[in-house]
Amino acid sequence: NAGVTQTPKFQVLKTGQSMTLQCAQDMNHEYMSWYRQDPGMGLRLIHYSVGAGITDQGEVPNGYNVSRSTTEDFPLRLLSAAPSQTSVYFCASSRDSISGNTIYFGEGSWLTVV
Amino acid sequence: AQRVTQPEKLLSVFKGAPVELKCNYSYSGSPELFWYVQYSRQRLQLLLRHISRESIKGFTADLNKGETSFHLKKPFAQEEDSAMYYCALSNAGGTSYGKLTFGQGTILTVHP
Repeated sequence: NAGVTQTPKFQVLKTGQSMTLQCAQDMNHEYMSWYRQDPGMGLRLIHYSVGAGITDQGEVPNGYNVSRSTTEDFPLRLLSAAPSQTSVYFCASSRDSISGNTIYFGEGSWLTVV
Repeated sequence: AQRVTQPEKLLSVFKGAPVELKCNYSYSGSPELFWYVQYSRQRLQLLLRHISRESIKGFTADLNKGETSFHLKKPFAQEEDSAMYYCALSNAGGTSYGKLTFGQGTILTVHP
């Protein structure tokens, strides 16, 4: 059981480049989300999805785009990378959006924008 | 707006000593509180949640609504407890959309 899988694990980008962080889960979870982890700030929600075809913004959505064409996949797109987007990105999923369900995290993607 | 505060960025204790990681929150509704742990080079994982009132790996946490706190405690720390700990909050009841508000995290180091 792979759980939540993120790729790539490490990436270096130049300012202005675009890229996509991939996230896939094999647990048939309805709910998926993306967080970024920065020192001294904890994890902050970027975007989330409560099911295929439905996405919404979290706390820090600017500069990021998401789509949810299938239940399994929830890619995060950086449209024009900026140094402020240097961070560790975590994808997460849970069975549905009801409170109390365990949220499972991926291993993280380390992104550096130079 | 909901907020979670972990006042200690770093916490060091010796093996066998008691440890308490502090967490305070502000939330206008009925909160659900969690502790997540991230061991070195591993993914973030749920340690415990207040509704379960369980003890995991010797850790306990009690929700104190009067003091709006959810401190994590362990009577005898072990070296393998060294990790980053996050306190997190979600809306209790109904749909929270899985949105968690995290604290800043506390790095716990347990010395031999």
